[in-house]
Amino acid sequence: EDKVVQSPLSLVVHEGDTVTLNCSYEVTNFRSLLWYKQEKKAPTFLFMLTSSGIEKKSGRLSSILDKKELFSILNITATQTGDSAVYLCAVEVGNEKLTFGTGTRLTIIP
Amino acid sequence: GAVVSQHPSRVICKSGTSVKIECRSLDFQATTMFWYRQFPKQSLMLMATSNEGSKATYEQGVEKDKFLINHASLTLSTLTVTSAHPEDSSFYICSAITLADTQYFGPGTRLTVL
Repeated sequence: EDKVVQSPLSLVVHEGDTVTLNCSYEVTNFRSLLWYKQEKKAPTFLFMLTSSGIEKKSGRLSSILDKKELFSILNITATQTGDSAVYLCAVEVGNEKLTFGTGTRLTIIP
Repeated sequence: GAVVSQHPSRVICKSGTSVKIECRSLDFQATTMFWYRQFPKQSLMLMATSNEGSKATYEQGVEKDKFLINHASLTLSTLTVTSAHPEDSSFYICSAITLADTQYFGPGTRLTVL
């Protein structure tokens, strides 16, 4: 059974802090790993990672994948209150199935 | 842990037919379930919020007569794509919310309309 585990489940930090969110997975026929930001209902796509060791960056957010150790991290530097959200990790496998983690709830305190 | 299943995982149908997709919470009760459609570049579009025992709440731009949602029990919501057309071909994903406000996603259903 494919499994995606995110940690921590929730995180509260002060504005300006840097956070690292973790996603580990056990799947068969890995294709890609995706990160989403969910503020209200619909998750917003952040990154898709397919190759190990290549960092993807978008502003203060960055992510990297380790296919040997089967995990990915999402970094957010200089956090702002607008970063408060649930961050979801999902893994796409060969038959196009997506397996989601339960998310990390990030709260940024002003 | 909590599991959400979808059935079928993959369906191919002819244009004009209707297709029903089931979303089940296997070991918890979910008063609220969400239906999403996955578009290219992995973006997820929320289609509707399914509430047990009441009518679904559709997002703007989603035709409620085309995408019929029924949440007949605390563990089952169904999405019926009526008179499906090739442009409805997509990956449909549901999610269910536990009482502790944790969201679990289903594995998705790949719909291909010929």
